[in-house]
Amino acid sequence: QVQLVESGGGVVQPGTSLRLSCAASGFTFTSYALHWVRQAPGKGLEWVAVMWYDGRNTNYADSVKGRFTISRDNSKSTVYLQMNSLRAEDTAVYYCARDLYAIGGTVSYTLDYWGPGTLVTVSS
Amino acid sequence: DIQMTQSPSSLSASVGDRVTLTCRASQSISSHLNWYQQKPGKAPKLLIYSTSSLQSGVPSRFSGSGSATEFTLTIGSLQPEDFATYYCQQSYNTLITFGQGTRLEIK
Repeated sequence: QVQLVESGGGVVQPGTSLRLSCAASGFTFTSYALHWVRQAPGKGLEWVAVMWYDGRNTNYADSVKGRFTISRDNSKSTVYLQMNSLRAEDTAVYYCARDLYAIGGTVSYTLDYWGPGTLVTVSS
Repeated sequence: DIQMTQSPSSLSASVGDRVTLTCRASQSISSHLNWYQQKPGKAPKLLIYSTSSLQSGVPSRFSGSGSATEFTLTIGSLQPEDFATYYCQQSYNTLITFGQGTRLEIK
């Protein structure tokens, strides 16, 4: 079955960096785009970034553009989110999610499987 | 960015009730509208995609409709496990956005 498991969260100070990982299993990793979505405590969902199945195309929310970088290692079936210059407003649970469409179609920006999330707290 | 607005923000209902949740987009998104269910402490779950397509494994009491800027999610007969928060999401453009959520509570 499809599984996504995030790791790497923790408590960090403003201005520092953190790298999240999402290990995938149960599907052909190289056929799917993967997204990061976050949820601040008690708040709604905010899409963060996507990396296409080809590993070349990416897209970011304006709130993280220039600070966050999404990447993937197909040999490890893992997607990463490198977060730099962290701010208090980046505090959230970060979810990794799979795109609905497999290779051959366009990226749907519909998220069919989600990991359980990892909490990032940015605080001094 | 396309703004998504859900109504109501919260709703109290009883087991067996039929409920309808609404989502409005700030511009036309054609049929590129998805619905998710989230329970406390859990990840969201995809229920409906492309306005009205039921995700595999989702009970048929869930249905979606609408087009352009106005969309609805209907739960035909509420079950105890349906009490949760529901989010709509537009996938019309590459900067996807979610509604603020509707919290469905037990009356």
